[in-house]
Parts: sequence; C-alpha cells; structure tokens
Amino acid sequence: DTGVSQNPRHKITKRGQNVTFRCDPISEHNRLYWYRQTLGQGPEFLTYFQNEAQLEKSRLLSDRFSAERPKGSFSTLEIQRTEQGDSAMYLCASSPPWGTGGSGEQYFGPGTRLTVT
Amino acid sequence: SQQGEEDPQALSIQEGENATMNCSYKTSINNLQWYRQNSGRGLVHLILIRSNEREKHSGRLRVTLDTSKKSSSLLITASRAADTASYFCATPSYNTDKLIFGTGTRLQVFP
Repeated sequence: DTGVSQNPRHKITKRGQNVTFRCDPISEHNRLYWYRQTLGQGPEFLTYFQNEAQLEKSRLLSDRFSAERPKGSFSTLEIQRTEQGDSAMYLCASSPPWGTGGSGEQYFGPGTRLTVT
Repeated sequence: SQQGEEDPQALSIQEGENATMNCSYKTSINNLQWYRQNSGRGLVHLILIRSNEREKHSGRLRVTLDTSKKSSSLLITASRAADTASYFCATPSYNTDKLIFGTGTRLQVFP
C-alpha cells in the first residue's frame, strides 16, 4: 500500500497562468475526492469521482476549474487563469468501494500547495 | 461551508496530560470521523464512530457521540509531543460520500 500520491507538492505560478495537479489514489480505491484547504480552515469539498464518473461538484468549483479521471485511476485538477484567491492547499483523497471493509473513511494524499503571485 | 465547529480552537498542554476537543455539527449523520493533520501535511484518519454508537476507543483515543445534542468529543489520554497537530471532525454529507469538515482544533503538546 503506497498511499495516495500527489504531484507536484508545491507550485508557484503567476496570476493568469494555468496549472494542473495530479492525484494517484490507492490502487483498489474506486472513489476519489478533491478538497481545498486554506490556512486555518478545514478542507472544503470540491469534487468527487466514482470510477471515471464525476458524480458531484461543489459550487466552489468555478468554470475555471476542471477535474478528470479518464480511466478511473489517476485524476487531474486543472485551474485556468489562476487568481490570487486560488492560493491554497489542494488535497486529494480516495476510499474503497462500499462493502470491501471500509466504512466511509477517506485516505488523503500530502497535498499540492499552490501559490499564485 | 463548514458543517462542524470544533472547540477549543487551540489547546496547549504538557506531555502526559489529557486533551479533550469537542465538535458540534448541524445535520443528521450516519457517522462522524476524526482526522489529524500535522503541520503542512495531509490528513490522517483516526477513528470513525457510527450514529448508533455512543463511545469508541482506539489506543489512547476515546470518542463519544451524542446525536441528540449533535456533538462529539475526542479525548487523547497521556498526550505526547508527537500528538501536536490539528484535529478535525468530519461528517459525510447526506446521501453523498463527500466529507464536511469542521474548523479544527490546534493542539500543542509541550515536552
């Protein structure tokens, strides 16, 4: 079990640039989540995939944000035309299928810290 | 939006003391989970308590749940410097898998 991995760990970009983050979930986990966390706050839900289907998107996910999970394995989160308000830690989590021992707990990656200058 | 509120926001104790943090939430839940986050790192799942359970133990952790008051508490006994972290409660949103997190309690354990 190698855990959830995220790349890059840190990203500094200038306002207006596009950025893309990658998340590799635990291999047998079919559910994948993206959260955003700002300093001093708890994580806030962005979007959720079950296999390759994107089942839910938060209102926080503006038109500049897009997420994909093309083959039901890794996922990417792209932010277009970044703004300073996008600066945050972007966390990815995965969880196993229901009935395979899990009860709803999620396994988080180390996060990608985005700084928009 | 945040579902829960943790109390206190910050807590400082000496090693060996017990630490108690509380979480209140707003809607009906199937379960409530506690996570730990060390400085600058991802979250680690600590313990899950189901809505039909009132108390659960895991090592030095004790969690209680009072669904009538919509509240939960996390007790860490015999704390260690390594317990220094932020602690979050989280609940699954109704009918979905997403977690809604509280605002967190920052625990500092001094050696």
